[in-house]
Amino acid sequence: NAGVTQTPKFQVLKTGQSMTLQCAQDMNHNSMYWYRQDPGMGLRLIYYSASEGTTDKGEVPNGYNVSRLNKREFSLRLESAAPSQTSVYFCASSEPPWGGGGQPQHFGDGTRLSIL
Amino acid sequence: SQQGEEDPQALSIQEGENATMNCSYKTSINNLQWYRQNSGRGLVHLILIRSNEREKHSGRLRVTLDTSKKSSSLLITASRAADTASYFCATDARAAGNKLTFGGGTRVLVKP
Repeated sequence: NAGVTQTPKFQVLKTGQSMTLQCAQDMNHNSMYWYRQDPGMGLRLIYYSASEGTTDKGEVPNGYNVSRLNKREFSLRLESAAPSQTSVYFCASSEPPWGGGGQPQHFGDGTRLSIL
Repeated sequence: SQQGEEDPQALSIQEGENATMNCSYKTSINNLQWYRQNSGRGLVHLILIRSNEREKHSGRLRVTLDTSKKSSSLLITASRAADTASYFCATDARAAGNKLTFGGGTRVLVKP
């Protein structure tokens, strides 16, 4: 039972290059999320998918696109990487909020992305 | 923008001592969660407290919530070197569509 798996773990890109970050979960969760974490800061939500077939913007969606490929997989794409997108990217999954909300999220170990 | 702000930003204590960190938030919430992040790893969920609860315990962890002051505290009792990590509060609020909003974290160093 691996939980949430992210690939790759590290990546260096040049400005203008594109790449896709992969995320897969084996907990049969309906909801999945992409966050970025910058030094000394908490996580900021980029995009999320409340359930298979739906995606919505979070707090900082500009420059990113996502695909909910199936229930297990949720990918994040940078079409034209910029130095401001240098960050650590985390994928998470959870059951969807119900009633009063508040489902714990389960995180992968992150992708460390540097853009030169 | 960050909904929660942790205080202090960093904390250094001796093994066996208690560690207390606080989280303040701005808007009404449904729930507040605490997470731990070890260096180079993802976040791990510790405890969830609902807006109608005032205190919750889990092992050596004690969380309080004061909705009138829009604040929460996390107490780790009898700390161990393995508790060295960053701790984050996260809130979900109807105003934010029940998505989690994280604070900036408290870095805790437990010295053996």
